[in-house]
Amino acid sequence: QQQVRQSPQSLTVWEGETAILNCSYENSAFDYFPWYQQFPGEGPALLIAIRSVSDKKEDGRFTIFFNKREKKLSLHITDSQPGDSATYFCAASRNTNKVVFGTGTRLQVLP
Amino acid sequence: DPKIIQKPKYLVAVTGSEKILICEQYLGHNAMYWYRQSAKKPLEFMFSYSYQKLMDNQTASSRFQPQSSKKNHLDLQITALKPDDSATYFCASSPGTSNTEVFFGKGTRLTVV
Repeated sequence: QQQVRQSPQSLTVWEGETAILNCSYENSAFDYFPWYQQFPGEGPALLIAIRSVSDKKEDGRFTIFFNKREKKLSLHITDSQPGDSATYFCAASRNTNKVVFGTGTRLQVLP
Repeated sequence: DPKIIQKPKYLVAVTGSEKILICEQYLGHNAMYWYRQSAKKPLEFMFSYSYQKLMDNQTASSRFQPQSSKKNHLDLQITALKPDDSATYFCASSPGTSNTEVFFGKGTRLTVV
């Protein structure tokens, strides 16, 4: 049973466009939702995170929109750059650092 | 400089053998973890340690045994290796144990033949 789901599996956008990555979860007890970025051959790195008390978190070109009622969230990457090409993982946890990861979205930004 | 050092980067093992994956972190963190990433499954939590004590174990098999000789070390011993154990194993750490940023190492890619 996959507790955190992501879509699409892969996404291609042109440089300068906004990439939208979707995520949904099943456990309503989850209260912390980090997004990780992973480049080939590297470990995941925290990109941005949101707590369930908020509905939006912004950090530069990266914004998380969170809908607690629908148990959905999305990551918006505005003005996408080729250097943003990576796999993005939505994750969730409940008052611990036992993080449950989604299956990832592979983003390709074309110049 | 990498702050979480995992050794080796690549490892090939024969079915039935035993291997130890090494992890050291120099972030001054109190909590350490092991995660596994394979082609078949997403990143999967295995163990968490806090102050060298096991906090959580989500690995069903006793063939996987974490070993913590120091606060900043958390090695992973895997016995009776199987081809299904082939995966990249990530060591991670965090300042605390509750909803804090988790930092990951670069991983050890294990292939069991």
